Amino acid sequence: DTEVTQTPKHLVMGMTNKKSLKCEQHMGHRAMYWYKQKAKKPPELMFVYSYEKLSINESVPSRFSPECPNSSLLNLHLHALQPEDSALYLCASSLKGQGAHNYGYTFGSGTRLTVV
Amino acid sequence: GESVGLHLPTLSVQEGDNSIINCAYSNSASDYFIWYKQESGKGPQFIIDIRSNMDKRQGQRVTVLLNKTVKHLSLQIAATQPGDSAVYFCAENPDSGGYQKVTFGIGTKLQVIP
Repeated sequence: DTEVTQTPKHLVMGMTNKKSLKCEQHMGHRAMYWYKQKAKKPPELMFVYSYEKLSINESVPSRFSPECPNSSLLNLHLHALQPEDSALYLCASSLKGQGAHNYGYTFGSGTRLTVV
Repeated sequence: GESVGLHLPTLSVQEGDNSIINCAYSNSASDYFIWYKQESGKGPQFIIDIRSNMDKRQGQRVTVLLNKTVKHLSLQIAATQPGDSAVYFCAENPDSGGYQKVTFGIGTKLQVIP
């Protein structure tokens, strides 16, 4: 299995809703990431998990809450979002460590989120 | 902050011709660079990478060139095909503490003309 699977593919939510995005990989990668991508823009890093622990939070608003229940799963809990949070949310995973042979990410196809 | 940028936002190429996508970076601490391809409705896909101790690396139909003196990165695609149409991002990793904090450039849209 060489994929990162994200669900759902599309999500429409109201500003008072609570929803979660899910990400799963079975490649044995121990680093997982959330990126946000607005239309015609590059992906922007939100969070990095390394060995199931949050290692980087790029000053993301608290209405986004990440969770890493185990080495294969990564969630992003959403609450009280704003319309400007509408974007493509990408999950990625990678081998971690300076001795790793391949530093490239494997990305999922993303969740297209629309906040109304 | 320091960033990775691209000279050309859109590149149109005739099918069969070679494509060259350029990227300028400004973080001299970066030691690892990656090119990603993103097709519409999909996540970025790894194409090729290069470490700072190299100046050229070849893959299947793709070549990445790194010029550390002028902080310039390029992706060459040989015999461009319609399936190559996508947005291409260069990305850098400053190897910050071992965490792979990859930063993406602004992207170049490659349009292949049949």
